Amino acid sequence: GQQLNQSPQSMFIQEGEDVSMNCTSSSIFNTWLWYKQDPGEGPVLLIALYKAGELTSNGRLTAQFGITRKDSFLNISASIPSDVGIYFCAGHPLRYNTDKLIFGTGTRLQVFP
Amino acid sequence: DAGVIQSPRHEVTEMGQEVTLRCKPISGHNSLFWYRQTMMRGLELLIYFNNNVPIDDSGMPEDRFSAKMPNASFSTLKIQPSEPRDSAVYFCASTPLGRLSTFGSGTRLTVV
Repeated sequence: GQQLNQSPQSMFIQEGEDVSMNCTSSSIFNTWLWYKQDPGEGPVLLIALYKAGELTSNGRLTAQFGITRKDSFLNISASIPSDVGIYFCAGHPLRYNTDKLIFGTGTRLQVFP
Repeated sequence: DAGVIQSPRHEVTEMGQEVTLRCKPISGHNSLFWYRQTMMRGLELLIYFNNNVPIDDSGMPEDRFSAKMPNASFSTLKIQPSEPRDSAVYFCASTPLGRLSTFGSGTRLTVV
C-alpha cells in the first residue's frame, strides 16, 4: 500500500538538542498528523494540521503543513530523554476522500543524556 | 474513559492455527480501524468500519484474513489458517465522527 516518505529513518542526539524530521508525498493530502509511538504501545497523536501553510505548536513540538500540501515537518526543541520513541507522520490523501489514514515509515529517535 | 481495548496483548500460535484478535472501541466512536505493523512494511491499514459496516478492506492481505464488527462496541480480526509471515503487531483504532483516531496498545502476534 501507499506510504509516505519520512526522513531521517533514525536520529541519535544529545539531550537539549533540537530535532527536525519531515515527510513527503507524491500526492496531495487533506490533513497531516504526527504521532509518537513508545515501545509496546500504540501511536499517540501529537499534532494535527488541516490547512496548507498551517504552523501548529504543542509545547516543545512544532509542525507545519507544507504549502504544496505534499509535505510536512515536525520539530522538537530542547529534547529530553522521554522524547525517545518512533515518530510517524500520517495523512488523509485528498484522492481517497475517506477516513483512510496513510502512515509514514517512521523516524526512530534516541536521546542521550 | 478506558481507551481502545485490545486483547490479547500477546499471542503465540502454531502455523495453521486460527487466531482471533479482539477490539473494544471507545464508546461513541463510529469508525474502527485495524492496522498491522511490521519492521519491513511499517503501519498498514487492513480494514475499516463506519457505523459497524466495512467501508474499505483493500488492505486485507488475503482470504485468510477476515474482520467483523457485530455491534458498535466490539470487533474481531481473524486469521485462518495463520502463517509465520503473519507475525506482527496488530492495532485497532477508533474515531469519533470527523475527528482523529485513538489507538489501542496492540496485539503482538507470533506464529511459529
